[in-house]
Amino acid sequence: AQTVTQSQPEMSVQEAETVTLSCTYDTSESDYYLFWYKQPPSRQMILVIRQEAYKQQNATENRFSVNFQKAAKSFSLKISDSQLGDAAMYFCAYRIPQGGATNKLIFGTGTLLAVQP
Amino acid sequence: DGGITQSPKYLFRKEGQNVTLSCEQNLNHDAMYWYRQDPGQGLRLIYYSQIVNDFQKGDIAEGYSVSREKKESFPLTVTSAQKNPTAFYLCASRGRGRYEQYFGPGTRLTVT
Repeated sequence: AQTVTQSQPEMSVQEAETVTLSCTYDTSESDYYLFWYKQPPSRQMILVIRQEAYKQQNATENRFSVNFQKAAKSFSLKISDSQLGDAAMYFCAYRIPQGGATNKLIFGTGTLLAVQP
Repeated sequence: DGGITQSPKYLFRKEGQNVTLSCEQNLNHDAMYWYRQDPGQGLRLIYYSQIVNDFQKGDIAEGYSVSREKKESFPLTVTSAQKNPTAFYLCASRGRGRYEQYFGPGTRLTVT
């Protein structure tokens, strides 16, 4: 069964610094999608970034970028120039490929990021 | 503004009562999902629907029911058979041909 593991329950970063959140996953599939979602104190889940497994190039969205290592089944999120508004719970998610008939997302348990002023 | 709305934000019920959580989207998305979130855990899938009048059980469907009579709406009923209903419930939707899901603001259900 596919699983997603986030081994860092909590992280802290100084404002303007860079932080990397870790995520590993287990799958036997070769084609899939990976996502990072942010859940601020309002608790609304916000899509931060996505990565297609067939793409070698790491995805980037402004200050957010990923380090996708397919062979190692690793998908870390790097936040550059951290801002106070980045403080949130971050969830890594894996999407079952088409054929599973659900496009279901499998979530990790989350990493709580604190940003220190 | 396009988006997903869930109401109410907070809901309180007595044990033994059924309760229905609302989820509406005006994104013209075909697929809709219900997730449950408990402290220290990620989201777990309750039910999903890929088209109107069709829905499937997710990983933790016991004690829940849904309907999908309209494309825009996917209400979730938490029945008295659900043993631990107190949780945060999130609704999501996905556009056809897209891979990412977009979430509503959630409903916090407390059953005492």
